[in-house]
Amino acid sequence: EVQLVESGGGLVQPGGSLRLSCAASGFTFSSYWMSWVRQAPGKGLEWVANIKQDGSEKYYVDSVKGRFTISRDNAKNSLYLQMNSLRAEDTAVYYCARGGGDGYNFFDYWGQGTLVTVSS
Amino acid sequence: SYVLTQPPSVSVAPGKTARITCGGNNIGSKSVHWYQQKPGQAPVLVIYYDSDRPSGIPERFSGSNSGNTATLTISRVEAGDEADYYCQVWDSSSDHFYVFGTGTKVTVL
Repeated sequence: EVQLVESGGGLVQPGGSLRLSCAASGFTFSSYWMSWVRQAPGKGLEWVANIKQDGSEKYYVDSVKGRFTISRDNAKNSLYLQMNSLRAEDTAVYYCARGGGDGYNFFDYWGQGTLVTVSS
Repeated sequence: SYVLTQPPSVSVAPGKTARITCGGNNIGSKSVHWYQQKPGQAPVLVIYYDSDRPSGIPERFSGSNSGNTATLTISRVEAGDEADYYCQVWDSSSDHFYVFGTGTKVTVL
């Protein structure tokens, strides 16, 4: 059974940093592109970033470029999102999702999400 | 950037058919994927590549895509189908790459 479990969310002040993690199991993690998708409270879904199987390609939505960094550790079956210079508008539930790349342009499994709140 | 427009809400009686539209410029030339999201839960993929269903998704869920409109159809609607539904495409010219629709709340009367 495919499982994605996020962690690392919480309350952080504007300008602060946070690192999200996603532990994957039930599939060959190193064979898939992985993505982060977020959802602001009461709002729709927004793709944030994705990363190729070997980490050699990474893409970001414009609003987080230069502030967020996606990475992965295939030996640990883990996906990460380092978030710096956080803003109030980054407040959202962040989902780890399998997919997003190489023609596999949809997300077939999602984690339960972790809430990031940026507020003073 | 590429915009996908969905009606904010659709209401349907149990046993009837719900149709959720997703409008976009020449969306028929793209592959459309659909997600169901129940309150407090993560999204679930219900249709991919316009009309394919993942394993475990009932045959009551079907999709089509042509021209400027993609449609998710839910036949014989059940109370458990009440949820938000989002369409999604990949658009290389968009700053978002993976574009989601505005979302539709399906209410079962």
